[in-house]
Amino acid sequence: SYVLTQPPSVSVAPGQTAKITCGGNNIGSKNVHWYQQKPGQAPVLVVYDDSDRPSGIPERFSGSNSGNTATLTISRVEAGDEADYYCQVWDSSSDHHYVFGTGAKVTVL
Amino acid sequence: EVQLVESGGGLVQPGGSLRLSCAASGFTVSSNYMSWVRQAPGKGLEWVSVIYSDGTTYYADSVKGRFTISRDNSKNTLFFQMNSLRADDTAVYYCAREGQGYGREFDYWGQGTLVTVSS
Repeated sequence: SYVLTQPPSVSVAPGQTAKITCGGNNIGSKNVHWYQQKPGQAPVLVVYDDSDRPSGIPERFSGSNSGNTATLTISRVEAGDEADYYCQVWDSSSDHHYVFGTGAKVTVL
Repeated sequence: EVQLVESGGGLVQPGGSLRLSCAASGFTVSSNYMSWVRQAPGKGLEWVSVIYSDGTTYYADSVKGRFTISRDNSKNTLFFQMNSLRADDTAVYYCAREGQGYGREFDYWGQGTLVTVSS
């Protein structure tokens, strides 16, 4: 089955840039989506199809995807961005399964 | 406005059954791909099942043969029948709608319902 690997934690100072990676075999050939989850809340889609943003998501959130790594970038980080972030793809080769990354905790210092 | 509201969670003994519901508003369940995603306490997200608009269903290996996804079009509601429950099924269960784009993302999620399997 397809595996997506994320760093367990990312620390960033307010106003700086956070980069959260998502590693997978030839992930650049897939559409990658990113979710933000705050404690006790449901996940929220923040980036879809590698780099598109749903309405209402700030432009500070952006994404890229190439080779074996996809990246979610949060610019001008705010305290309210502290959350868990998950990447996700659809793996057509594994009985139509959806795969989530291991998750990365973003801590704002 | 799109809304998803889950219900039906609770405490159940190992080997028992539970049926979750997900009432939708603001869109038609039968016209969309709908999934159940779960999250064990302190753990990450795990996709468990999907029902396509044509009624085709798929399951994660961890629940195949024990859980069944279905929908009631007249009630615009998604269901998840869970049988032969085990301790490792303990999790918050979310229903999620798949977006309209190409990439198979989940654009709307419910608030989740907690299922605890314990004696």
